Amino acid sequence: EAAVTQSPRNKVAVTGGKVTLSCNQTNNHNNMYWYRQDTGHGLRLIHYSYGAGSTEKGDIPDGYKASRPSQENFSLILELATPSQTSVYFCASGDQINNQAPLFGEGTRLSVL
Amino acid sequence: GDSVTQTEGLVTLTEGLPVMLNCTYQTAYSTFLFWYVQHLNEAPKLLLKSSTDNKRTEHQGFHATLHKSSSSFHLQKSSAQLSDSALYYCALSDTDNNNAPRFGAGTKLTVKP
Repeated sequence: EAAVTQSPRNKVAVTGGKVTLSCNQTNNHNNMYWYRQDTGHGLRLIHYSYGAGSTEKGDIPDGYKASRPSQENFSLILELATPSQTSVYFCASGDQINNQAPLFGEGTRLSVL
Repeated sequence: GDSVTQTEGLVTLTEGLPVMLNCTYQTAYSTFLFWYVQHLNEAPKLLLKSSTDNKRTEHQGFHATLHKSSSSFHLQKSSAQLSDSALYYCALSDTDNNNAPRFGAGTKLTVKP
């Protein structure tokens, strides 16, 4: 069964700390995406990847890095977390076979204090 | 770049009345349009998709028709149910360039008895 798994599901971080959000997909999709969800802004694209070793900037990449070490794994890294990065983060995968319709993980709720 | 506009942030209506959620988009390329539904504390899930001009697409009682002449993909249902209360996102993917999907700001639909 197609799946995208995110960890952790909840995270509390301190301002200035480093945060890594992990995502694993078993769909064999080439593309993976990181979005953040905020009321009034919807789902905004942070970074995405076309395959292992590739990362691309989305619409709001500032303050975030991404890493795609393998087809299955895609991480989002906050080197110096700030309270403005408090949000719900969704990872998704997709490819041209499914018209790039993202298949989402369950989300990570991040609070930066 | 690609963009999606959902004009209503909140829609409240009474059970049994028709639903129409608006979606317009801007893109210079061939695209797929999607509607996603997100229930409380869940991941967004694909509801409908289309790339064919003027063809009605239906799923789970909802329908939408892509109109390229007006760049619209409005979501409709003839009779709202309490269980339709959720957050609805319109999204598009650029199939020419394999660009990552972009989402609108979302419409929160609340159906009351």
